[in-house]
This record gives sequence, C-alpha cells and structure tokens, in this order.
Amino acid sequence: QKEVEQDPGPLSVPEGAIVSLNCTYSNSAFQYFMWYRQYSRKGPELLMYTYSSGNKEDGRFTAQVDKSSKYISLFIRDSQPSDSATYLCAMKMDSNYQLIWGAGTKLIIKP
Amino acid sequence: GAVVSQHPSRVICKSGTSVKIECRSLDFQATTMFWYRQFPKQSLMLMATSNEGSKATYEQGVEKDKFLINHASLTLSTLTVTSAHPEDSSFYICSVQGLAGEVGVSGNEQFFGPGTRLTVL
Repeated sequence: QKEVEQDPGPLSVPEGAIVSLNCTYSNSAFQYFMWYRQYSRKGPELLMYTYSSGNKEDGRFTAQVDKSSKYISLFIRDSQPSDSATYLCAMKMDSNYQLIWGAGTKLIIKP
Repeated sequence: GAVVSQHPSRVICKSGTSVKIECRSLDFQATTMFWYRQFPKQSLMLMATSNEGSKATYEQGVEKDKFLINHASLTLSTLTVTSAHPEDSSFYICSVQGLAGEVGVSGNEQFFGPGTRLTVL
C-alpha cells in the first residue's frame, strides 16, 4: 500500500462545474499538506498549503484536511479550461524535509 | 514564494556524453535544493537533496557517481548526468525549500523550477 493514494483519472468535467480532487494517506505523522498544479512539460506550481486539519480558501480554490480520516481535498469552483492540468497532492512530517507525493490526477475542463 | 529557474529547458545528446543542468534560486538564498526526475504520466521521484557547502544526500537506488550534484553557492545547484544513456531520458526538475519568514511561506513548502527535458539518443 502506498503512503499516499490519489486517483490518476482522468477526470473530465464541463466548464463552470465544481471540481473535487482527493488524496488519502496512511501515515498519521503527516502534518503539512500541499496541492500542486502541473501543466504538461512544466514544473509543479504550489497552489495551496495547509498545516494540520482545517480549511483554507484562496480565490476559487479551497483545501480541506481531515486528519481523523486521513483525507485531504482540493475544491475548484467555477472551473475554467485553463484549470486543465495534473493536480498533485504532497505531504510531509514535521521532522522530515521530504515530500511524499500522490500519483497526480489529470483534470480536463471541457469548454 | 520562490522563483526558480533551470537551464537548459531542453537538451538532446548522444549516448555516452555528459549533460549539466543548472538550477538557480532567483530571489533568495537557498541552503537546500532538491532534484527530482519524472517519467511520462508518473509522479515526481526524489533523486537527491542538495545542501550548500556539503555533499548531496542521494535517495536509495540513485547512483551518486552517475548523477553528480554540486551546490557551490546559495543560489545555484547543478546536476550532471554522466555518460548518459537512453534510459536516462526523463524530465528533471529542481526545487528549493521555502524560506520561513517570507510572506506566505512557512519553510515547509518546495518551489519548483520549470524542468529540463533530457533526451539521450
């Protein structure tokens, strides 16, 4: 079993829809949770960063962390074709620099 | 967040040659940089952690003599793929550890460069 599980998709939704992306994890020591967006042939771009449990909102993006369920989510409201990309979750422990990555979910927003 | 550049963005070389990839932190001094490789439709795989002024720390299974890392200054780390072979063809990406105290940065995030696509013929 991988430490971080993420459905690779692809996930295809119409423009304007609310998108829900998720990751589950097994290591309860993870404290820091990140979502990155990666366009084809580009480096990942940090979208959201959350410490411990709770919600965080930034524009059309909302990140949620439920440590009791070991489950994190990224919601995208009013999705746009420009949101089409691969979304990777990553997490780390307090005592370790290393990021543990999900497989990435390919998202396609249809005009 | 940090601004990270990589050079070159794309390189094609013959088998047996060595290729150097540069990673620069443009807006702050990075004591720690990371090197990843990514195969098509796969996630990122950490190769090594580059520490300024000391030897890099390699992940298990990564050949340190093949992938030479030099972090000679606080803004520059280089990865040299020695005697490259077709199986080394991949997307190589560097990242820098966020600097705690910068606005919106906790020190736990990594900020990535645009990547270098290496093709070995």
